[in-house]
Amino acid sequence: TQLLEQSPQFLSIQEGENLTVYCNSSSVFSSLQWYRQEPGEGPVLLVTVVTGGEVKKLKRLTFQFGDARKDSSLHITAAQPGDTGLYLCAGGNSNYQLIWGAGTKLIIKP
Amino acid sequence: KAGVTQTPRYLIKTRGQQVTLSCSPISGHRSVSWYQQTPGQGLQFLFEYFSETQRNKGNFPGRFSGRQFSNSRSEMNVSTLELGDSALYLCASSLEVTGNTGELFFGEGSRLTVL
Repeated sequence: TQLLEQSPQFLSIQEGENLTVYCNSSSVFSSLQWYRQEPGEGPVLLVTVVTGGEVKKLKRLTFQFGDARKDSSLHITAAQPGDTGLYLCAGGNSNYQLIWGAGTKLIIKP
Repeated sequence: KAGVTQTPRYLIKTRGQQVTLSCSPISGHRSVSWYQQTPGQGLQFLFEYFSETQRNKGNFPGRFSGRQFSNSRSEMNVSTLELGDSALYLCASSLEVTGNTGELFFGEGSRLTVL
């Protein structure tokens, strides 16, 4: 059974701080997606990475796919209250399915 | 362009009852996927429909079923409800069969409480 473990499960920091959340597996994935879900809403896609070692930047967010395509990280620089939400990673497997992590709940305090 | 619409948004049922949830995808999207979201388990894949055919199915019991209509709207049904079925049920649409890299567009979900 393929699993994606996200850490930490919960993170509460002050506005302006930097943070990194992780998405790890013992399995290889062909792609890795990151979504953000705000309370009362469905998840919204932030990025898709498909190449081992790939780095993508979205304003203050930096996403990295591990060289072996088993893990990924999301780094946020100078976090803002608007970054608050549940961050979910989802890995694409060889059966064309998405395997989801349980999420990191992030709270940015003003 | 309207987003994914799910109805009802909230509902309360008792054990043993059955429930039907509805999902209208973004216009032009032909694939609809259903997910169960609980705090401890995250998103669990239920099934995906494309052109009225079930293309993929997760590891849920037969009490969970779904269908897709010719206009791409989809319904999912849960029979003989159990307390553990309490969850947020999310519907997601995409242009084609999701695959590994397709973007999913989620609705706001239907929150089911089973008493």
